Amino acid sequence: DSGVTQTPKHLITATGQRVTLRCSPRSGDLSVYWYQQSLDQGLQFLIQYYNGEERAKGNILERFSAQQFPDLHSELNLSSLELGDSALYFCASSPQNRLGEQYFGPGTRLTVT
Amino acid sequence: DQQVKQNSPSLSVQEGRISILNCDYTNSMFDYFLWYKKYPAEGPTFLISISSIKDKNEDGRFTVFLNKSAKHLSLHIVPSQPGDSAVYFCAASEGGKGAQKLVFGQGTRLTINP
Repeated sequence: DSGVTQTPKHLITATGQRVTLRCSPRSGDLSVYWYQQSLDQGLQFLIQYYNGEERAKGNILERFSAQQFPDLHSELNLSSLELGDSALYFCASSPQNRLGEQYFGPGTRLTVT
Repeated sequence: DQQVKQNSPSLSVQEGRISILNCDYTNSMFDYFLWYKKYPAEGPTFLISISSIKDKNEDGRFTVFLNKSAKHLSLHIVPSQPGDSAVYFCAASEGGKGAQKLVFGQGTRLTINP
């Protein structure tokens, strides 16, 4: 158990819909990261928040957005969903002095039908 | 553009022998490298890391070697155990331990045979 929690575990929704994925980082970690893992691709970095502020951005679509709240939990919002958005979405957090060592949650499996 | 490449999708090793997983990178600005291990239905788990100022880092049965001139790193597992069967991801970042964005390879599925 990494200490990072993600909800829900599974999500099935239709094209065009909007969903919200939730992540709680390990206690004491200020950084939260979101990754997407599609069937035919490795882990793709989406976005990072540090203590409520966006810190780094990867290949995140404009239809996707994220935020980190004062209690440090984070939400990833995916809208106008397409079939190709079906993937595993991982959240990770890291200690302040070792940002590269990221601790991953169990992931949310999103299926868009 | 695949900046981090793991060219072997799978590897099968006998229990007790050495497992060697390889990773190549193209971005010379990468200066911090990590290996993660992933079991099915779980998130990746951090295994071991190495800074570009070193060429070797050891942690128990796991050793990571870095060859900067070849832009190549490898993970050695000795001796291999059945519980080591998993997918192993190589990752790289810029900016040392303070870096925020990891670039992952595609992964290598390691199977340890009894």
